[in-house]
Amino acid sequence: DAMVIQNPRYQVTQFGKPVTLSCSQTLNHNVMYWYQQKSSQAPKLLFHYYDKDFNNEADTPDNFQSRRPNTSFCFLDIRSPGLGDAAMYLCATSRDLTTGEGQPQHFGDGTRLSIL
Amino acid sequence: AQSVAQPEDQVNVAEGNPLTVKCTYSVSGNPYLFWYVQYPNRGLQFLLKYITGDNLVKGSYGFEAEFNKSQTSFHLKKPSALVSDSALYFCAVTRRGNNNDMRFGAGTRLTVKP
Repeated sequence: DAMVIQNPRYQVTQFGKPVTLSCSQTLNHNVMYWYQQKSSQAPKLLFHYYDKDFNNEADTPDNFQSRRPNTSFCFLDIRSPGLGDAAMYLCATSRDLTTGEGQPQHFGDGTRLSIL
Repeated sequence: AQSVAQPEDQVNVAEGNPLTVKCTYSVSGNPYLFWYVQYPNRGLQFLLKYITGDNLVKGSYGFEAEFNKSQTSFHLKKPSALVSDSALYFCAVTRRGNNNDMRFGAGTRLTVKP
């Protein structure tokens, strides 16, 4: 089945130690998103890629970076994790607008990040 | 910018009873409205959407939602709740011409009791 896969499902890192979360998709969608979700709150969009074009949210800290080497993969890099960065990180994809507007986003099952 | 509000943090219903999870929206122009469900330690799962056309939209697992433009609402409904429907529900909105900017409500936790 076509899907969005996030690895690992659980990640533990130390305060200040860089960490990378990964996302892959078999849907061949143009758009990929990264969200941060804390304690069953609403997902907060960090940034998204439209093909290779990177779109950062204005309030996303510089500590968060992303890479998309190809259509299928997208990475979230946290350069110096702080205790406040402990959260669930969700990756999502959607089709581009040429296939019609109002496309839903398809989510992976997330990576739960803990900071020691 | 668009936004949605989910006025209830928690909704409790008995199994077999109808359920409603409320959502109101604010957007300039025509809205695209969505409902997602999230089970523990899982991602968000798409249930249904309203783009245009019939105000009543039907989705997965027997859920439906009614778009009401005059009340700017998009409430989620199900005629007969199941215990397995217990989860966190999110309403979301985008708008024409800005499909990638999806805004989520704060979520409503639905508990269906046997």
